[in-house]
Amino acid sequence: QEQLVESGGNLVKPGGSLRLSCAASGSSFGDSYMSWIRQAPGKGLELISYVRGSGTYTYYAASVKGRFTISRDSAKSSLFLQMNSLRAEDTAVYYCASPSVRGIIAYWGQGTLVTVSS
Amino acid sequence: QSALTQPASVSGSPGQSITISCTGTSDDVGGYNYVSWYQQHPGKAPKLMIFDVSDRPSGVSDRFSGSRSGDTASLTISGLQAEDEADYYCSSYTGSGTLVVFGGGTKLTVL
Repeated sequence: QEQLVESGGNLVKPGGSLRLSCAASGSSFGDSYMSWIRQAPGKGLELISYVRGSGTYTYYAASVKGRFTISRDSAKSSLFLQMNSLRAEDTAVYYCASPSVRGIIAYWGQGTLVTVSS
Repeated sequence: QSALTQPASVSGSPGQSITISCTGTSDDVGGYNYVSWYQQHPGKAPKLMIFDVSDRPSGVSDRFSGSRSGDTASLTISGLQAEDEADYYCSSYTGSGTLVVFGGGTKLTVL
């Protein structure tokens, strides 16, 4: 049974840091694409970062580039998102997801809430 | 502003059919057969309903269908049911480093 479970969401002050984790179970995730997709309150979906294969290629949306870092530990079937210099506009539910090479996302985690507020 | 354009809301009565449009460009929707649609109920993760423009994952009702004409994709839900009330998002492969772009979402209300 393929499953993605996020953790690490919390309330953090502007300028602070947070590290999100995603535990993947099942046979589908191996060296596949893994991504973080966020959804601000009442807003749509935004793919902010993904890692391809063992981590040799990473992508960041302009909104997070230079502040967030994605990484994966294939041996532990885990995905991480290190978030630094957090801003109020980073407040969102963050989903771990596994897109196919054609961008199809069949597997989503349940989401973890990050709130950036003083 | 989202890369793909969807209507903010649509509504229909039980048993009726509705269609949600998703307009992009030749760099995404019109350029690849990789349009997907997701259903999201409040407080839940999105669920894949349609992929590759018109294919349904196993377990998704055949009341859901997808199509595309030029740069606009469409999701049609026939025989509307109360449980179809949700937000619907389209997405498309982009062929660039972005990988996938989303629409802004459409809220479906079943009257």
